Amino acid sequence: QAQLVQSGAEVKKPGASVKVSCKASGYIFSNYGISWVRQAPGQGLEWVGRISVYNGDTNFAQNFQGRIHMTTNTSSSTAYLELSSLRSDDTAVYFCARDLWVADLYYFDYWGQGTLVTVSS
Amino acid sequence: DIQMTQSPSSLSASVGDRVTITCQASQDIGKYLNWYRQKPGKAPKLLIYDASNLETGVPSRFSGSGSGTHFTFSIRRLQPEDIATYYCQQYDNLPSSTFGGGTRVEIK
Repeated sequence: QAQLVQSGAEVKKPGASVKVSCKASGYIFSNYGISWVRQAPGQGLEWVGRISVYNGDTNFAQNFQGRIHMTTNTSSSTAYLELSSLRSDDTAVYFCARDLWVADLYYFDYWGQGTLVTVSS
Repeated sequence: DIQMTQSPSSLSASVGDRVTITCQASQDIGKYLNWYRQKPGKAPKLLIYDASNLETGVPSRFSGSGSGTHFTFSIRRLQPEDIATYYCQQYDNLPSSTFGGGTRVEIK
């Protein structure tokens, strides 16, 4: 059974950076991608970005241009999301999800428990 | 960017009712649509992928249909444990994707 366990809550000041980790277990890490989705308090889901564990290719939503960095460590089966120049509207729960991208199929079948990132002065 | 309009934003129904949610895409996305359920304080859970395929282990009272710009998600015989918010997700421009605004389902 696949499982994704994320790092704990973070409180950051505006302009700072945050790094969230997502440790995978129960499956072959390099056979899937890792997507990141965030949810502001009381709001809906927003796709943040995606990294191919196999080759490191990344894609991300345009509004994160220049301040997002996604990486993986295959030896520890861990994915990382780093977001810099934090603003108050980055306050959200950040989820990692295992994504399957095969031909025309693309979906997120296992999710982490979420990491609350609070940006406040 | 492709916009996904989900409706209604919330609904209240009785146990045993049939519930239907719609998702309208701003342009043709073929069948590139998934449905998720999110219970309060929890991560989303995949229910339907590729518009109409039931994820393994998901009860058959859940179903999805549609293609192009109009999609529907249904719960046949609503159960108390179905209280949640449901989201559609389009992935026409892989690997980026967008979610609908969500539909909150409550028991009357």
